Amino acid sequence: EVQLVQSGAEVKKPGESLKISCKGSGYSFTSYWIGWVRQMPGKGLEWMGIIYPGDSDTRYSPSFQGQVTISADKSISTAYLQWSSLKASDTAMYYCARAGVLWFGERTFDAFDIWGQGTMVTVSS
Amino acid sequence: EIVLTQSPGTLSLSPGERATLSCRASQSVSSSYLAWYQQKPGQAPRLLIYGASSRATGIPDRFSGSGSGTDFTLTISRLEPEDFAVYYCQQYGSSHTFGQGTKLEIK
Repeated sequence: EVQLVQSGAEVKKPGESLKISCKGSGYSFTSYWIGWVRQMPGKGLEWMGIIYPGDSDTRYSPSFQGQVTISADKSISTAYLQWSSLKASDTAMYYCARAGVLWFGERTFDAFDIWGQGTMVTVSS
Repeated sequence: EIVLTQSPGTLSLSPGERATLSCRASQSVSSSYLAWYQQKPGQAPRLLIYGASSRATGIPDRFSGSGSGTDFTLTISRLEPEDFAVYYCQQYGSSHTFGQGTKLEIK
């Protein structure tokens, strides 16, 4: 079965660092992109960025560039989303999702066909 | 960045009725790289439609997508009770952006 399993809920204080994970199984982890999507409480979906674990090619939404870091360890089929200094406004559900490879002049990404269960991050003093 | 605007914000219908959801892009979406997702409370989104009109694996044929360029539509031919949820469109031809969502509620 193809699945993405995310790490558990986190409660942190402002200024703390955090790294959450997304482990893929049942498919070739290095042949698909893994993206991250934020959903603030009661709000819609926001695309944060995406990584191709095969060569760590990473793209960020302008809204999240410099705010988070996306990485992957292909040896353990796991992608990560990390913050160096959390803010209360980072409180949200974070989803990872898989996207296939498309070629459109360059390597780009398909729609998200498989989603993780989400990781709730709460930042509060 | 392409901005996607979904309408209506909320759609109130009864089971058995037909639902038509709209997604308009601020500029043309490359190669119809437009997807639709369904999200139920407490669940992750689920891919329904990709490439503007192709159903994802396991999606019932009452769901259909159409459109090209800047105007796209998701149609649910006969609503089942489990179809009441929030629906998002997404373009993925140029980065990824999501629409703000349409809530489909029971009338």
